[in-house]
Amino acid sequence: QVQLVQSGAEVKQPGASVKVSCKTSGYTFTSYGVAWVRQAPGKGLEWMGWISGYNGNTNYAQRVQGRVTMTTDTSTSTAYMELRTLTSDDTAVYYCARRWGNNWFDSWGQGTLVTVSS
Amino acid sequence: DIQMTQSPSSVSASVGDRVTITCRASQGISSWLAWYQQKPGKAPKLLIYAASSLQGGVPSRFSGSGSGTDFTLTISSLQPEDFATYFCQQANSFPLTFGGGTKVEIK
Repeated sequence: QVQLVQSGAEVKQPGASVKVSCKTSGYTFTSYGVAWVRQAPGKGLEWMGWISGYNGNTNYAQRVQGRVTMTTDTSTSTAYMELRTLTSDDTAVYYCARRWGNNWFDSWGQGTLVTVSS
Repeated sequence: DIQMTQSPSSVSASVGDRVTITCRASQGISSWLAWYQQKPGKAPKLLIYAASSLQGGVPSRFSGSGSGTDFTLTISSLQPEDFATYFCQQANSFPLTFGGGTKVEIK
């Protein structure tokens, strides 16, 4: 079955960077994209962007543009999301999700809590 | 950006009740709308896509309708496992955006 397994929780200081991984299995990685969605504590869902598993093309949300880089390693069917210059506003659970059809998200990772605190 | 507004923000209901949640887009999005269910500490789960198409494995008590700017998610007979938060998401244009969520609570 389709699975997305994310890396573990991170605690970072303000100004630092974090890189979250999302290892996929159960489907052909290059046939789908991977999106990243975050959720601040007690808040709603925020789409950060997505990357094509086929050619690595990306589309980032304006709010994180310039601070985020999404990459893939097709040899291991893994997607990565790096966020730089962290502030307390970046404290959230970060999810990866398989992009299916017209930008629907049909399978999700378990989430990675990133805490930004001095 | 397209703003998605859900109402109500929370609803109290009993097992067996019919529950309707609405989602309004700030501009027309045709039928490019999805609904997700999220339980505490868990990732969202896709329920409905393209406004009214039921995702595989989702019980038929869930249904979606609407097009343009106004959409609804209906749970025809609420079950204990349906108590959760529900989000709508527009897929018409980037950036993709979500509604603020509707929490369905036990009455």
